[in-house]
Amino acid sequence: EAQVTQNPRYLITVTGKKLTVTCSQNMNHEYMSWYRQDPGLGLRQIYYSMNVEVTDKGDVPEGYKVSRKEKRNFPLILESPSPNQTSLYFCASSATGGQPHLAKNIQYFGAGTRLSVL
Amino acid sequence: RKEVEQDPGPFNVPEGATVAFNCTYSNSASQSFFWYRQDCRKEPKLLMSVYSSGNEDGRFTAQLNRASQYISLLIRDSKLSDSATYLCVAGFDSWGKLQFGAGTQVVVTP
Repeated sequence: EAQVTQNPRYLITVTGKKLTVTCSQNMNHEYMSWYRQDPGLGLRQIYYSMNVEVTDKGDVPEGYKVSRKEKRNFPLILESPSPNQTSLYFCASSATGGQPHLAKNIQYFGAGTRLSVL
Repeated sequence: RKEVEQDPGPFNVPEGATVAFNCTYSNSASQSFFWYRQDCRKEPKLLMSVYSSGNEDGRFTAQLNRASQYISLLIRDSKLSDSATYLCVAGFDSWGKLQFGAGTQVVVTP
């Protein structure tokens, strides 16, 4: 079954304790992206990746890191989480066939990770 | 100002009725547009792409007005299962950024 898998689904942590949210897709998609969703603000893009070893900032990258060492994985790293990073996080992927302008094509989303930073 | 703006609703719609709502975008460089559906804080799922000439998918019709920079979604013969939040999305051809609206909530009542 084609899917995007995020782990963990729920996480409660404390300020300053480094954490990683994993994202894996089994569709051989080139494009992957991370979003956060907050009430009234909608989904905001954190980082995206056009392919292996190619990442770029979205609209709200501060406080986050990503890496794309393998095509299927795109982990989101919070080196020193703060309470304002409490949010619902979604990972997404799409196929581009090597053409960046197709990154906007159908985005498949993971089930989301609810993060609370105390 | 948000790049993509939507009326948050809720739009309360009797079953069987028609509902329509718009989304405005501020960046005239936007090249592609989509409607996604999101159920109760679950993951968004693509509902339909929006083409320049307008397009229809069953009971759903999407329109694009580039001059006024808005897109619309119309749902005919509303079903209870149409209750959800509808997210408007604008994308750019040359790079991977997508701009999401905050969503319009639709509640279909019996």
